[in-house]
Amino acid sequence: DTAVSQTPKYLVTQMGNDKSIKCEQNLGHDTMYWYKQDSKKFLKIMFSYNNKELIINETVPNRFSPKSPDKAHLNLHINSLELGDSAVYFCASSQMPGTGGGGYTFGSGTRLTVV
Amino acid sequence: EDQVTQSPEALRLQEGESSSLNCSYTVSGLRGLFWYRQDPGKGPEFLFTLYSAGEEKEKERLKATLTKKESFLHITAPKPEDSATYLCAVQDGGGSQGNLIFGKGTKLSVKP
Repeated sequence: DTAVSQTPKYLVTQMGNDKSIKCEQNLGHDTMYWYKQDSKKFLKIMFSYNNKELIINETVPNRFSPKSPDKAHLNLHINSLELGDSAVYFCASSQMPGTGGGGYTFGSGTRLTVV
Repeated sequence: EDQVTQSPEALRLQEGESSSLNCSYTVSGLRGLFWYRQDPGKGPEFLFTLYSAGEEKEKERLKATLTKKESFLHITAPKPEDSATYLCAVQDGGGSQGNLIFGKGTKLSVKP
């Protein structure tokens, strides 16, 4: 039973399109995150949600909008996709920030390719 | 600004050849330092959390240590299945609200 699952695993789309990536966790964690891993494998935080409230919003273009219908789900919607958005997007979850020795639990990633 | 630097970027070892990976960090107040393993096409997998200088954690052939400025991941007698990218991350007790800040990783290859 997958702890953090995200769909789809692969997403190929044209520039200018709008797409969504879904994430669900069954760990009962309070906080969920979206990370972007670029071509150099560098993981960078995009958003985090704690109990359905946005608590971090790094310098991400407003074309990216996280949506959390409940604390087990955090979806990422991307408008007007650009070539530079091509990357692997990881969803993760944890207990409340700063608690729990297990760090984050990551999903298996969504590889987004914009053509 | 919080920073995490890992070295080397890549490391090639023969099976059984022990070595160490380095993670140096700069944070305003360390809440925790994390090591993850990432296999190709997969998400990072949690290995260890270290909280204070002098702390050590072990798991099979891996041992993580922490000082006030850096952490080491020691790999003893590695096997080919240890090949992966190892990521270090810090959790800042200051203004980043628990956000994990990652280094760029060390790609380890172990040849039989």
